[in-house]
Amino acid sequence: AQSVAQPEDQVNVAEGNPLTVKCTYSVSGNPYLFWYVQYPNRGLQFLLKYITGDNLVKGSYGFEAEFNKSQTSFHLKKPSALVSDSALYFCAVRDMDTGRRALTFGSGTRLQVQP
Amino acid sequence: DTAVSQTPKYLVTQMGNDKSIKCEQNLGHDTMYWYKQDSKKFLKIMFSYNNKELIINETVPNRFSPKSPDKAHLNLHINSLELGDSAVYFCASSLTDRGLQETQYFGPGTRLLVL
Repeated sequence: AQSVAQPEDQVNVAEGNPLTVKCTYSVSGNPYLFWYVQYPNRGLQFLLKYITGDNLVKGSYGFEAEFNKSQTSFHLKKPSALVSDSALYFCAVRDMDTGRRALTFGSGTRLQVQP
Repeated sequence: DTAVSQTPKYLVTQMGNDKSIKCEQNLGHDTMYWYKQDSKKFLKIMFSYNNKELIINETVPNRFSPKSPDKAHLNLHINSLELGDSAVYFCASSLTDRGLQETQYFGPGTRLLVL
């Protein structure tokens, strides 16, 4: 079975400071990893993904994520936070080797960026 | 030019009623999904169709019946609505090709409230 853990319900950061939103995963095979963002009363927007290749993945709106196989982590980062980044962030995983196409999501982390 | 659209956006109904939610994608994808997001923001897969064939059917009450008339549409019909069905239902789609990266794109969600 595949699972995702987002250990922080909320992350607070000041505008202009770097931010990190944590994610760890568990799959039996090789992972596809995704980050999505959800703004209030909106759908999920795709931010970035890791399939294979470079461990540092760059995505939309200046976000990046680092895949760490030994720590089974895929933390989301941004060098300088904006107030407009405040939203709910979801990490998701798919096991590449099972063929199961559904994503398993973490519980979400609310990012609050203070001006 | 909306990629994944859902109707209605909001649905308020009485317990015991039957209702449908429609989803359409114009991305040329061949796999579509229904996810449920509960009041605590947990997202969970319900169903998935690939080329009109049901490929994922999670432990969902049989009051929920998905129907895919063609690759671009996946509708969700719910019979005998219960209070616990109140949630946000998201449709998503992806292109299935093991050689390519499959990203799921989500619709804006349908907010269902059962009174």
